[in-house]
Amino acid sequence: AQSVTQLGSHVSVSEGALVLLRCNYSSSVPPYLFWYVQYPNQGLQLLLKYTSAATLVKGINGFEAEFKKSETSFHLTKPSAHMSDAAEYFCAVSEGTALIFGKGTTLSVSS
Amino acid sequence: DAGVTQSPTHLIKTRGQQVTLRCSPISGHKSVSWYQQVLGQGPQFIFQYYEKEERGRGNFPDRFSARQFPNYSSELNVNALLLGDSALYLCASSLEDRGLYEQYFGPGTRLTVT
Repeated sequence: AQSVTQLGSHVSVSEGALVLLRCNYSSSVPPYLFWYVQYPNQGLQLLLKYTSAATLVKGINGFEAEFKKSETSFHLTKPSAHMSDAAEYFCAVSEGTALIFGKGTTLSVSS
Repeated sequence: DAGVTQSPTHLIKTRGQQVTLRCSPISGHKSVSWYQQVLGQGPQFIFQYYEKEERGRGNFPDRFSARQFPNYSSELNVNALLLGDSALYLCASSLEDRGLYEQYFGPGTRLTVT
């Protein structure tokens, strides 16, 4: 069974600082990987996905993620944090018909 | 275009009761999946339906069941509710049932079991 580990349940950054949210996966086959964002009392919104094309994936709202097979990682980054980025972020791997999610990382942004 | 819609938004039930949650996918999407999100955790996969057939089932008891209708909308039923069933239930739709297709989530139904 595949799994996802998100290192750091809570990340705090200042506005304008680099955002780095970590995700490691375990998969016996080339994975499909996703990052989702969830704002309070809302559903999940897709930020970006990796489906074995380019290893650097650009998403919405200035986020991007790099697939590193040797490190089994798919970390999410944004060069400059904005207050509106404060939310819960989930990394997920596709297993058959299901998405397997990590436990999530709460991003706080201070002014 | 409208996104994934779910009803009701909130629901309060008593232990032992039964509940039905509803989901309408994005127009043109044939696959619907259901997830349970307990507070402070990531969503957990319950079911996936594609063209009215069950294509995947997560590790949930038989008290959980679902179906998909000819118009691709879906219902999730939970019988004999337990306190532990209190969660946000998310529905997601995708074009096809293969993993490379992204899933689009609805706002969820918040179920509280007392």
